[in-house]
Amino acid sequence: ETGVTQTPRHLVMGMTNKKSLKCEQHLGHNAMYWYKQSAKKPLELMFVYNFKEQTENNSVPSRFSPECPNSSHLFLHLHTLQPEDSALYLCASSQATGLGAFFGQGTRLTVV
Amino acid sequence: GENVEQHPSTLSVQEGDSAVIKCTYSDSASNYFPWYKQELGKGPQLIIDIRSNVGEKKDQRIAVTLNKTAKHFSLHITETQPEDSAVYFCAASLNSGGSNYKLTFGKGTLLTVNP
Repeated sequence: ETGVTQTPRHLVMGMTNKKSLKCEQHLGHNAMYWYKQSAKKPLELMFVYNFKEQTENNSVPSRFSPECPNSSHLFLHLHTLQPEDSALYLCASSQATGLGAFFGQGTRLTVV
Repeated sequence: GENVEQHPSTLSVQEGDSAVIKCTYSDSASNYFPWYKQELGKGPQLIIDIRSNVGEKKDQRIAVTLNKTAKHFSLHITETQPEDSAVYFCAASLNSGGSNYKLTFGKGTLLTVNP
């Protein structure tokens, strides 16, 4: 248990669906992240929030929409996804940006 | 931006042997280097890290070394055990503007420890 909790653990959605991923951390960290992990690729940073403000959007398509209502919670809203968006989506947090991040278990997303 | 190369992509060792995973980075301004272990079905777990003002750090059976001149760093696992089997990722942290830093990850090494 890393202190970073993600729900749901698994999600199957159609290309016309709208769904949201949730992340919660109880570590008192100020920075939160969304990463995408696909087979045989490096971890891809998607978004960074520092003190609830978005500081990085790594050229992510607009069908992925992050939300950070407070420094403990992070959401990723999904709509009109493509099959190639199927991957493991990982949330992480750290005391400050760029430091060793603590990852959640991830949400395994399958787009059909 | 930063580019991190990691080798080998797969590594198989006998229980009790040592394992070494190597990473190189491109930007000499990177100053923080964590290593992660990811077991099947789990998220990456931070196992050890090193800052650029230190050349070596050890924690029980794992150690990390850093050569700033050559821009490479390595993970050493001694007396390997089957439970060390996992995917290991290196990363390098670089300032991305203002007070913000960004971690760039290597592609990972699948370590298999055979009993």
